[in-house]
Amino acid sequence: GAGVSQSPSNKVTEKGKDVELRCDPISGHTALYWYRQSLGQGLEFLIYFQGNSAPDKSGLPSDRFSAERTGGSVSTLTIQRTQQEDSAVYLCASSLARTPDTQYFGPGTRLTVL
Amino acid sequence: GNSVTQMEGPVTLSEEAFLTINCTYTATGYPSLFWYVQYPGEGLQLLLKATKADDKGSNKGFEATYRKETTSFHLEKGSVQVSDSAVYFCALRMNRDDKIIFGKGTRLHILP
Repeated sequence: GAGVSQSPSNKVTEKGKDVELRCDPISGHTALYWYRQSLGQGLEFLIYFQGNSAPDKSGLPSDRFSAERTGGSVSTLTIQRTQQEDSAVYLCASSLARTPDTQYFGPGTRLTVL
Repeated sequence: GNSVTQMEGPVTLSEEAFLTINCTYTATGYPSLFWYVQYPGEGLQLLLKATKADDKGSNKGFEATYRKETTSFHLEKGSVQVSDSAVYFCALRMNRDDKIIFGKGTRLHILP
């Protein structure tokens, strides 16, 4: 079966531009998570969606970051006015509601802000 | 706040050596603890977990024991292989929260 997919796999953008990163979770997984993996910073939680509940946005680093999840499936992470410090690998994961311990990760989108 | 601290890498060992990667946590309450692994070119995946004190998680020859008294969850393997080369992340999840808090990761290199 298909795993978590993310697109694009690589994105190079200029400082100040907006970018959109997409995540397709595993079918049937109601929980979806975004993380950021920066060099030397490990894996940083950004935002979490669970079913129709309000998302947990506690990890978003600034108001330039936002995410939405349409129809309880696909999610888009948007970064406005990108900065060089936004360069990182952005990972998406999904899980069943009853097994949040077992998150399945996508391959990530490598974002480079020039 | 809740956090995880793990030993910095890279860790380089010869094949068949004994491995320990240290991990300690800070949490208000009693979290579930995990080790995730990221093999080269692959996505992050759950390696093992323990949900309460004194539980031992194990998988693929790796083990980790949940030690409440020392707030630790050290990863061990008796005899490593070249194929174990990867980045290992210690992590926790609080029982009323679904998000996982990860450590910074430890890169492991195993030499043949």
